[in-house]
Amino acid sequence: GENVEQHPSTLSVQEGDSAVIKCTYSDSASNYFPWYKQELGKRPQLIIDIRSNVGEKKDQRIAVTLNKTAKHFSLHITETQPEDSAVYFCAASQSGGGADGLTFGKGTHLIIQP
Amino acid sequence: NAGVTQTPKFQVLKTGQSMTLQCAQDMNHNSMYWYRQDPGMGLRLIYYSASEGTTDKGEVPNGYNVSRLNKREFSLRLESAAPSQTSVYFCASSGYRGGDSPLHFGNGTRLTVT
Repeated sequence: GENVEQHPSTLSVQEGDSAVIKCTYSDSASNYFPWYKQELGKRPQLIIDIRSNVGEKKDQRIAVTLNKTAKHFSLHITETQPEDSAVYFCAASQSGGGADGLTFGKGTHLIIQP
Repeated sequence: NAGVTQTPKFQVLKTGQSMTLQCAQDMNHNSMYWYRQDPGMGLRLIYYSASEGTTDKGEVPNGYNVSRLNKREFSLRLESAAPSQTSVYFCASSGYRGGDSPLHFGNGTRLTVT
């Protein structure tokens, strides 16, 4: 089955700086890569996703890049703000796969220092 | 529009006690899921239901049972709780059976087994 590794487990950056979280996956058949954000005490929520037919996707201050050859994808947050503090989870799946398809990474705790 | 509703929000059980976690969604979604979240372990799938009338085991099903009562409701039962089941439990739903269907999470149930 799929295995998703996520690094780092904790990331501390100064407010206004950029943050990058990296994930690798093992199954070359995976073609859908979402990112979920979980604020303290709240539920995970989808913030951005990318499919394997594109290499990069942006939404305001966040972007995701995908390298299919190397089987890794990354979340980039620019101009970080206090509200970006949260745990971020990457995941991978096959769009044609079954309902159990999403495999999550173990999460990155992003801390924005004032 | 409530989305995914879980009850209870908090629960304390003694070892050996039983309980049922309730989940309901009002988005007319076909697929529903139960995850557990433990520190440093990410989100692990316990059971899922691809559609009304079907249930399947996920990554960590031991010690749990589920019931897909109807299209809206998916319950998780602990027959004999153990301290290892202390965790935060999330119910989720998605619109269609497929690895690229976004997950909508409930607010979670924090369970402590003493």
